Amino acid sequence: NAGVTQTPKFQVLKTGQSMTLQCAQDMNHNSMYWYRQDPGMGLRLIYYSASEGTTDKGEVPNGYNVSRLNKREFSLRLESAAPSQTSVYFCASADRAETQYFGPGTRLLVL
Amino acid sequence: GIQVEQSPPDLILQEGANSTLRCNFSDSVNNLQWFHQNPWGQLINLFYIPSGTKQNGRLSATTVATERYSLLYISSSQTTDSGVYFCAVAPHTDKLIFGTGTRLQVFP
Repeated sequence: NAGVTQTPKFQVLKTGQSMTLQCAQDMNHNSMYWYRQDPGMGLRLIYYSASEGTTDKGEVPNGYNVSRLNKREFSLRLESAAPSQTSVYFCASADRAETQYFGPGTRLLVL
Repeated sequence: GIQVEQSPPDLILQEGANSTLRCNFSDSVNNLQWFHQNPWGQLINLFYIPSGTKQNGRLSATTVATERYSLLYISSSQTTDSGVYFCAVAPHTDKLIFGTGTRLQVFP
């Protein structure tokens, strides 16, 4: 099992550009999550999906959109990137809202 | 919203020493997890422990839900224990709120 995979690993964008971060899990989990981690801080929840076809906002949803494409995949889209969105983005999945398993992260730099 | 405070913010140990990390939270929770972020950034779940005590090798955790705190014990620390330890809680959902972490450095 690969667990939770994320692509890309690194990305540099210019202000105003758009991009989609991809996440997939092979553990048959119902719940999936997107977090961001800024230097010296804990993780903050951007969006989550409790099941296929449902999504809900977290602490910091502004500037982001998500799609739960199917049970395995949950993508995060930045429509018009801003320097404040420079961060490390983590995807996670869980079964029955218990133990969360994290992907390796995507480092995003917005110039 | 719920507040999560972790202490100490930084901890420096020599190999073989024991340590206790604390997580205080401001409201009742039904989900509490401890994570280790290694120096390469990977997050590993250590415990799902909304109440009670669990042990896994040299690590153990205790959550006293009625008093709104959790403790993570690391015994006989090793250099591979270095990294940041996060506590995360959720009041009544699975929307975890993370603390700012305890940075642990273990020297040989």
